[in-house]
Amino acid sequence: SAVISQKPSRDICQRGTSLTIQCQVDSQVTMMFWYRQQPGQSLTLIATANQGSEATYESGFVIDKFPISRPNLTFSTLTVSNMSPEDSSIYLCSDTTGSGYTFGSGTRLTVV
Amino acid sequence: TQLLEQSPQFLSIQEGENLTVYCNSSSVFSSLQWYRQEPGEGPVLLVTVVTGGEVKKLKRLTFQFGDARKDSSLHITAAQPGDTGLYLCAGEGGSNYKLTFGKGTLLTVNP
Repeated sequence: SAVISQKPSRDICQRGTSLTIQCQVDSQVTMMFWYRQQPGQSLTLIATANQGSEATYESGFVIDKFPISRPNLTFSTLTVSNMSPEDSSIYLCSDTTGSGYTFGSGTRLTVV
Repeated sequence: TQLLEQSPQFLSIQEGENLTVYCNSSSVFSSLQWYRQEPGEGPVLLVTVVTGGEVKKLKRLTFQFGDARKDSSLHITAAQPGDTGLYLCAGEGGSNYKLTFGKGTLLTVNP
């Protein structure tokens, strides 16, 4: 299965600023996903990122707040824009090769 | 919208005890996956069940997929402190490969 390198692993940011999270996969994957997770709780899908097309966002998430890039089949970024304390969470990327899903190790974001 | 009800949400047991985690839905899933997540890490896939009635064993862990492919269970025999973690079930139901996650079970095994 693919290995995903996600960075940064954690950050503390000022409200009103933006943070870009990067995920690098060690092989080409068609679909990548971005999730949000409160510590000890389940994952909520933010959007699906496909190479060469606009990301598909889930209900409650919009492109202006969470712009996503997918420039090639091994890389994707998620930006958390104009952050507020409510955005404090763990953000994870994931990919699938059709035979299983692999997750990055997550980015723990704290907005102060 | 597909929903997965996972229970219990919290479980604290002593080493050597057995436990079962349940995942139930009113929707049919093409596959159901179980993940384990430790603090500071992403979820790691334990098993995928695809066929209704399927049973898979992974050492002391037994996974079962319901006949109607709407529910699943994870049974751990003789739990050990190393089993401590967040267990998540996730269903795959459509052609877009999106996963629907249960709320998770936070398991603590005390020595």
